[in-house]
Amino acid sequence: AQSVTQLGSHVSVSEGALVLLRCNYSSSVPPYLFWYVQYPNQGLQLLLKYTSAATLVKGINGFEAEFKKSETSFHLTKPSAHMSDAAEYFCAVSNNNNDMRFGAGTRLTVKP
Amino acid sequence: KAGVTQTPRYLIKTRGQQVTLSCSPISGHRSVSWYQQTPGQGLQFLFEYFSETQRNKGNFPGRFSGRQFSNSRSEMNVSTLELGDSALYLCASSFEYRGGYTFGSGTRLTVV
Repeated sequence: AQSVTQLGSHVSVSEGALVLLRCNYSSSVPPYLFWYVQYPNQGLQLLLKYTSAATLVKGINGFEAEFKKSETSFHLTKPSAHMSDAAEYFCAVSNNNNDMRFGAGTRLTVKP
Repeated sequence: KAGVTQTPRYLIKTRGQQVTLSCSPISGHRSVSWYQQTPGQGLQFLFEYFSETQRNKGNFPGRFSGRQFSNSRSEMNVSTLELGDSALYLCASSFEYRGGYTFGSGTRLTVV
């Protein structure tokens, strides 16, 4: 079965600094990879997805992620953090059976 | 178009009772998945339904069950509630496996 590991349960950055949230996946078949964001007391919102087209994927709110097969990674980045980016971020992997599995999540704090 | 609607938003039940949660997917989405989210265990997959059939199932006891109707609306039921069932239950719908999920805002279940 496929799985993802998110490195770092908490990440803290200063406003304007680079955001880097790490995700490594395990899958026996070519994976579909996703990043979601969750704000308090809300459901998850899709940020971006990789579905075997371009390896560099651009999403909403200025986020992007790069699929690296050799490193089995799909790290999420944003060049300049904004206070509104503070939230919990989840990496997820799915296969062609629509069985999506989520990582444990990374809580991003943005300091003024 | 309308998003994924989950009802009720909040629920308080007593140990031993049963509960039914409802999810209305985005129009045209035939896949509905359910997740349990807790601070300790994170997002755990319960089950996925597609065209009224359970297609995937997570590792939860038989007290957790679900169903999907012909209009793609889904319900999940938890019988003989335990304190540990207190969680945010999230429903997500998708059109096809590569598109990612659209989540509802969740139902916050508290068992006392």
